[in-house]
Amino acid sequence: RKEVEQDPGPFNVPEGATVAFNCTYSNSASQSFFWYRQDCRKEPKLLMSVYSSGNEDGRFTAQLNRASQYISLLIRDSKLSDSATYLCVVNGGVTYRVRGFRYGQNFVFGPGTRLSVLP
Amino acid sequence: EAGVVQSPRYKIIEKKQPVAFWCNPISGHNTLYWYLQNLGQGPELLIRYENEEAVDDSQLPKDRFSAERLKGVDSTLKIQPAELGDSAVYLCASSSGGDQETQYFGPGTRLLVL
Repeated sequence: RKEVEQDPGPFNVPEGATVAFNCTYSNSASQSFFWYRQDCRKEPKLLMSVYSSGNEDGRFTAQLNRASQYISLLIRDSKLSDSATYLCVVNGGVTYRVRGFRYGQNFVFGPGTRLSVLP
Repeated sequence: EAGVVQSPRYKIIEKKQPVAFWCNPISGHNTLYWYLQNLGQGPELLIRYENEEAVDDSQLPKDRFSAERLKGVDSTLKIQPAELGDSAVYLCASSSGGDQETQYFGPGTRLLVL
C-alpha cells in the first residue's frame, strides 16, 4: 500500500459546483498535513495546511479524520481558475536529526487529483 | 523576494550523457530538497539538505545520481550517465524548516533523454 493515496480523477465539474477530494495515508503517526495545488506544467504551491479541527479559507475547506486516516478538500462555487491538480502531502514519520538537533520530518506527496472546471 | 531559481528549464540529451541541474533556494532557507516528478505522479524526494548536510538521500540512485550543496546555499544535482527512464521533471524546493513550514518550489527542469 502506498503511503499516500488519492483518486487520480479527472474530476470534470461545471462552474459553480461543489467538489470534494479525499486522500488516505498509511502512517498513523503522521502529524502534519497539507494540500498543494499544481497547475499544468508549473510547480506545486501550497494551498492550505490541514489542522485537526478542520479549517477554511474562502471557498476551500480542509478536514482531517485521524481515526480513518484521511484528509479531505472541499471546493465550493468552483471557478474555471480552480482547474489544476491537487496534491495531498503528509509527513511520513521519518525524523531528521543533525548532531542531535531535530530538523523536522519528511513529507510524502500523493499522486494528485486532477480537477477540470468546465464553463 | 526572489523565489527558488532553477536552471536550465529544459534539457534534451542522449542516453549515457551526463547532465547537471542547478538550484538557488530562497535566501535564508536552510532546508533544500530535490524531487523527481513523473507525468501524472506527485513529486518524489531524491535528497534533502539541512544547510550543507544531506539528511535524507535514501531515495537517490547513487550509482548514477549525485548532489552537492557545498556552502549550504545553492545546490547541484548530477546524473551520469543518464538513462531513458530518467526523463522527468526535476524540482528543487526550499523551506525554513520545521514540520509546518511551507515548501517553496522552483519551476523545475524538464529533462528528456533520447
